[in-house]
Amino acid sequence: GEDVEQSLFLSVREGDSSVINCTYTDSSSTYLYWYKQEPGAGLQLLTYIFSNMDMKQDQRLTVLLNKKDKHLSLRIADTQTGDSAIYFCAERNSGGYNKLIFGAGTRLAVHP
Amino acid sequence: EAGVAQSPRYKIIEKRQSVAFWCNPISGHATLYWYQQILGQGPKLLIQFQNNGVVDDSQLPKDRFSAERLKGVDSTLKIQPAKLEDSAVYLCASSGRPGEWEKLFFGSGTQLSVL
Repeated sequence: GEDVEQSLFLSVREGDSSVINCTYTDSSSTYLYWYKQEPGAGLQLLTYIFSNMDMKQDQRLTVLLNKKDKHLSLRIADTQTGDSAIYFCAERNSGGYNKLIFGAGTRLAVHP
Repeated sequence: EAGVAQSPRYKIIEKRQSVAFWCNPISGHATLYWYQQILGQGPKLLIQFQNNGVVDDSQLPKDRFSAERLKGVDSTLKIQPAKLEDSAVYLCASSGRPGEWEKLFFGSGTQLSVL
């Protein structure tokens, strides 16, 4: 079946690193994504990783993929107050047509 | 470059009324999606179009929801009659530009409140 799970809440101090974790069930997922949603806004594509990669880095963002454990993480270095938002993990299912299955989201709160 | 456009931004209706949402995808994107996001949950796919054909509507409540994409560009999602549990944000997304087919881009959504 298709299921994506995330922890619901993470609180970090400004300047620290944040790590948001996600587990998924479809072992044949081809791409895994991280989206950011700010209050009242749509989803903004942050980054994504192809399933044959272990890591992808993009400025302050680092994505780690453990395909054996079906575990995905997003690390945000030097977290800022502007990073406060809900972060969604999503997998592209193996059935084709680019369908994304989302987790329930992790709310990141950044405090001084 | 223009993103995915949606309207209206907010809608408040009473149960049993009907409502329609409109979406204009990013130019050149062949695939269009409607997602439903209930408060506190992740988005759930309602329907997916490839050009003007439906490729996945397995989670669309077809007794009350309908969607069309007549010319393969913009799309309309309709609910008739609405129920209280339809209160949610309805997100439109698009994808399919050559070289970027794996990227889905979302609009700002329409927040629906059913009273």
